Amino acid sequence: EVQLVESGGGVIQPGGSLRLSCEASGFDVSNNYMSWVRQAPGKGLEWVSVIYSRGDTFYAESVKGRFTISRDNFKNMVYLQMDSLRADDTAIYYCAKRGFEWELTHWGQGTLVTVSS
Amino acid sequence: QSVLTQPPSASGTPGQRVTISCSGSSSNLGRYYVYWYQHLAGAAPKLLIQRNDQRPSGVPDRFSASKSGTSASLVISGLRAEDEADYYCAAWDNSLSGSYVFGTGTRVTVL
Repeated sequence: EVQLVESGGGVIQPGGSLRLSCEASGFDVSNNYMSWVRQAPGKGLEWVSVIYSRGDTFYAESVKGRFTISRDNFKNMVYLQMDSLRADDTAIYYCAKRGFEWELTHWGQGTLVTVSS
Repeated sequence: QSVLTQPPSASGTPGQRVTISCSGSSSNLGRYYVYWYQHLAGAAPKLLIQRNDQRPSGVPDRFSASKSGTSASLVISGLRAEDEADYYCAAWDNSLSGSYVFGTGTRVTVL
């Protein structure tokens, strides 16, 4: 059974850094496209980043240059390193597994990041 | 600011039919598949429709969808109380360096 469990959220001051983790089970992250999606309070879903099976990475314009997606194939984990955090990065961050095309077939329960002084 | 536009809300009584529209452009819906997600309060989003009109295993057949050009729609036939949720369309967008974009979201209320 595919499962995704996010961790690493918390309260951080503006300008700070945080690393989110996504522990995957039931499949290999190395052979799949993995994404991060977020939802700010009272707002809709916003795609953040993707890492392809071959290692290519893509980012939303709003986080480009500040966030870095990576993975550890041995630990079967995906990470989101978030630097230079701003108040508008406050959101629930979800880890999601992409299917053959761009369907996000499995999602974690999310981890809350609050950027506040 | 999302490039896929949805109505902010829709509603119906149990058993009614509700339609949610999603308007995009040539860089997203006009070129790539549309996907639909259901997001219940306090839960993880759930894939409802893939590749324009295909229901993943386990999704009730009262959910259907279609796409034409740069527009798409989701139909909930036979609305049920448990369908009260936020619904999002999504697609890959090849403008700039490429990104996956979600619609603005539609809150469905069962009256």
